[in-house]
Amino acid sequence: AQTVTQSQPEMSVQEAETVTLSCTYDTSESNYYLFWYKQPPSRQMILVIRQEAYKQQNATENRFSVNFQKAAKSFSLKISDSQLGDTAMYFCAFMNHNDYKLSFGAGTTVTVRA
Amino acid sequence: DSGVTQTPKHLITATGQRVTLRCSPRSGDLSVYWYQQSLDQGLQFLIQYYNGEERAKGNILERFSAQQFPDLHSELNLSSLELGDSALYFCASSAGGRDTQYFGPGTRLTVL
Repeated sequence: AQTVTQSQPEMSVQEAETVTLSCTYDTSESNYYLFWYKQPPSRQMILVIRQEAYKQQNATENRFSVNFQKAAKSFSLKISDSQLGDTAMYFCAFMNHNDYKLSFGAGTTVTVRA
Repeated sequence: DSGVTQTPKHLITATGQRVTLRCSPRSGDLSVYWYQQSLDQGLQFLIQYYNGEERAKGNILERFSAQQFPDLHSELNLSSLELGDSALYFCASSAGGRDTQYFGPGTRLTVL
C-alpha cells in the first residue's frame, strides 16, 4: 500500500507572503498521479493541482505550483501571494495508474494572517 | 460547486440503526467513489463503482455496503451503526479511473 506523509501539521503565513507545504510518498510504481486538495472550514474538498508522474514539468495553477521530485518521492506545494481565502487544510494525495483510489496524507492546516 | 451532490448534509441517528447516504455524480461521470473522513483515521477510501459495477474496495466494513444504479447515482448503506462510525462521508466522481476525482460536499453522520 502506498503511504503519503505530510510532516507539517500546521503552518502560518502572512497575507501576500509565500508558503511551501511538504509531501513525501512511498511507492514502487513508476506511473502514478499526485494531487493537492484543499479543505476550507466549509469542509468541501477542492482540487488545487494535479501532477502526472511521467511529466517532468511541474504543474502550476495560478498562485499554486508544485515541486515534483520523482527520485526523492517528494511533491511540495507552493502558495504564492497568500490570500485570506487560502486558509484551509491541505491534503496531498496519491493515485496509482491502475488502482484508482486516492491515498491521502494526514493534512497540513494553513492559516493566512491579515 | 463541483457538480457532485450528496444528501443529506447532516444525519443524526442512534447506535444499532441503519442509514442510507446518496450521491449523484457530475454529469457524464461514470465512476463514483466513497471516502470516510474521521478524526482518528483521516481520509480513507471505502469503495469505487464504475458504470454500475464495483471496481475496487478499500477499508470498508462488512456492515457497510454500496451500489450504483443505472442512472449512475450511488448509495452507501451503513448498518448496525456504532459510535465510531461518526464521520464525514464523501462521494467523489470522475469520468474514468485515471481522471481527477471531484468531491461532493459530504454527509456528516453523527451516531449517538
